[in-house]
Amino acid sequence: DQQVKQNSPSLSVQEGRISILNCDYTNSMFDYFLWYKKYPAEGPTFLISISSIKDKNEDGRFTVFLNKSAKHLSLHIVPSQPGDSAVYFCAASEIHNDMRFGAGTRLTVKP
Amino acid sequence: NAGVTQTPKFRVLKTGQSMTLLCAQDMNHEYMYWYRQDPGMGLRLIHYSVGEGTTAKGEVPDGYNVSRLKKQNFLLGLESAAPSQTSVYFCASTAALSTEAFFGQGTRLTVV
Repeated sequence: DQQVKQNSPSLSVQEGRISILNCDYTNSMFDYFLWYKKYPAEGPTFLISISSIKDKNEDGRFTVFLNKSAKHLSLHIVPSQPGDSAVYFCAASEIHNDMRFGAGTRLTVKP
Repeated sequence: NAGVTQTPKFRVLKTGQSMTLLCAQDMNHEYMYWYRQDPGMGLRLIHYSVGEGTTAKGEVPDGYNVSRLKKQNFLLGLESAAPSQTSVYFCASTAALSTEAFFGQGTRLTVV
């Protein structure tokens, strides 16, 4: 039973435009949400996080939005760059030592 | 600045063989984790450890054992490999009370 779902396996956007990656979760006890980025043949790397007491967190071109009532979060990348092309994983944690991941969305940013 | 190091990077096993994957971290992190990544399934937690000498089961622990004898090392063992264990395995670590996990490069394991 996947508690974290990323329903779009892939997304393609033009360089300079906005990329929006979506994630849904089922466990209302999750209190931390994270996004990881993964390049081929490498391990995932942490990108940005948000706690359940907030609804938005920004870090440069990356913004994560959390809608607790809808159990939905999204990652916005503005403007998108070709170097952003990677697989993005959404993750959620109820306690700090048990993090659940979604299946990932492959983002392609075209020049 | 090594971070999290996994060995080996690639391995092919025959069904029924055993092997141990080693994870080492040099960041003095308390927590360590083993995940497997399969197509369409994302990363699934196998086992984790919140400190030296302690381990706990994750989502998919069957067929695996782990040990954390030293704080910097977390070992994942397969006693009798099965084709269903063909996967890419990732080790990760976090500091206590942190949500940011550092991952190793992964181990691609094929069981034939």
